[in-house]
Amino acid sequence: DGGITQSPKYLFRKEGQNVTLSCEQNLNHDAMYWYRQDPGQGLRLIYYSQIVNDFQKGDIAEGYSVSREKKESFPLTVTSAQKNPTAFYLCASSIMTTAKNIQYFGAGTRLSVL
Amino acid sequence: DQQVKQNSPSLSVQEGRISILNCDYTNSMFDYFLWYKKYPAEGPTFLISISSIKDKNEDGRFTVFLNKSAKHLSLHIVPSQPGDSAVYFCAAAEGGKLIFGQGTELSVKP
Repeated sequence: DGGITQSPKYLFRKEGQNVTLSCEQNLNHDAMYWYRQDPGQGLRLIYYSQIVNDFQKGDIAEGYSVSREKKESFPLTVTSAQKNPTAFYLCASSIMTTAKNIQYFGAGTRLSVL
Repeated sequence: DQQVKQNSPSLSVQEGRISILNCDYTNSMFDYFLWYKKYPAEGPTFLISISSIKDKNEDGRFTVFLNKSAKHLSLHIVPSQPGDSAVYFCAAAEGGKLIFGQGTELSVKP
């Protein structure tokens, strides 16, 4: 089945700890994205990547880091510098960053702080 | 400063009636708009889209209307069904990114 797989579904972070959220797609999409959703708010863009080995900051990149070593993988690291990491994290991909830009989403990872 | 706004956090309608979800935007350079539907603890799924050169796009029970002069778009669902109960997000395409509104939670009551 083609799609986007995010893991784990639930993740807990201790103070001062870095954690990495996984996102894999087998849709052969060029572009991948990471969003954060907080209660009552829309999706806010953290980072996005249009091509392997290249990525750009979104609106709320501080405290996060990404890599894009393979076309199908776009992991997100939530660093200890992110002081309010508790949120629902969504990964998405699209064929290319065109005006149509229909993005397809994974099921999300819920991150909580212990 | 929010460029895409959904001013109604929630909407409740009776099954079989029309649901109208609204979205306003501020940037006249947006040239493509999308609606997504999201169930709790799941990722959003694409529903319908519209280019700025059109004023209407229809797909089954879903119709999106675009009023460029008012910088306003709306999603009509007719007839509404209980399975339509979800959070609906509008989004505007800007270059390689989507800018999302805050979402409207639709509840369709039997």
